[in-house]
Amino acid sequence: EVQLLESGGGLVQPGGSLRLSCTASGFPFSTSGMNWVRQAPGKGLEWVSVIGETYTSYADSVKGRFTFSRDNSKNTIHLEMNSLRAEDTALYYCVKGWQFDAWGRGTMVTVSS
Amino acid sequence: DVVMTQSPLSLPVTLGQPASISCRSSQSLVHSDGNTYLHWFHQRPGQSPRRLIYKVSNRDSGVPDRFSGSGSGTDFTLKISRVEAEDVGIYYCMQGTHWPRTFGQGTKVEIK
Repeated sequence: EVQLLESGGGLVQPGGSLRLSCTASGFPFSTSGMNWVRQAPGKGLEWVSVIGETYTSYADSVKGRFTFSRDNSKNTIHLEMNSLRAEDTALYYCVKGWQFDAWGRGTMVTVSS
Repeated sequence: DVVMTQSPLSLPVTLGQPASISCRSSQSLVHSDGNTYLHWFHQRPGQSPRRLIYKVSNRDSGVPDRFSGSGSGTDFTLKISRVEAEDVGIYYCMQGTHWPRTFGQGTKVEIK
């Protein structure tokens, strides 16, 4: 069974930093693309970033501020978020696969003073 | 970016009756590999999204056969043959052909 467990969310001031993590199990992690998708309170879904074996891509809204990395030895991905803004406030989902076939429960990030 | 436009945005339905959601993309979703990466997701209240349909018309494991997807190019449809109470929530289409990946605005399905 595929399991995706996010962690690292919390309350941070504008301009601050946060590091999200997602630990995966139940599938061949090292060869799977992984994504972060976020959902602002009461809003729809927004793709944030993807990581493959050697490839990463970012939404324009986070490019230059967020860094996506993976540790295949620990079946874990990380999203380093810097220069956070109020508009980054959202539930961040870890999503498996190039075509989004499994989702975690999410970790909440709140950017507020 | 590819804009995904869903309609309607709100869909009140009667139990046991059919329902249909449209999704249109601003560009063709046919990939250079020949596949069309248009997927449908369902998000129940308070839950994470779950993929229902992938590549236009393929049901994911465990998805009831009352759900079906169709379409091609830029025009796609999700149909529920007979709505059940557990089908309430928000349905999103998403394109996985072009970068960045983009979602429709969501269609809220509720029981009349």
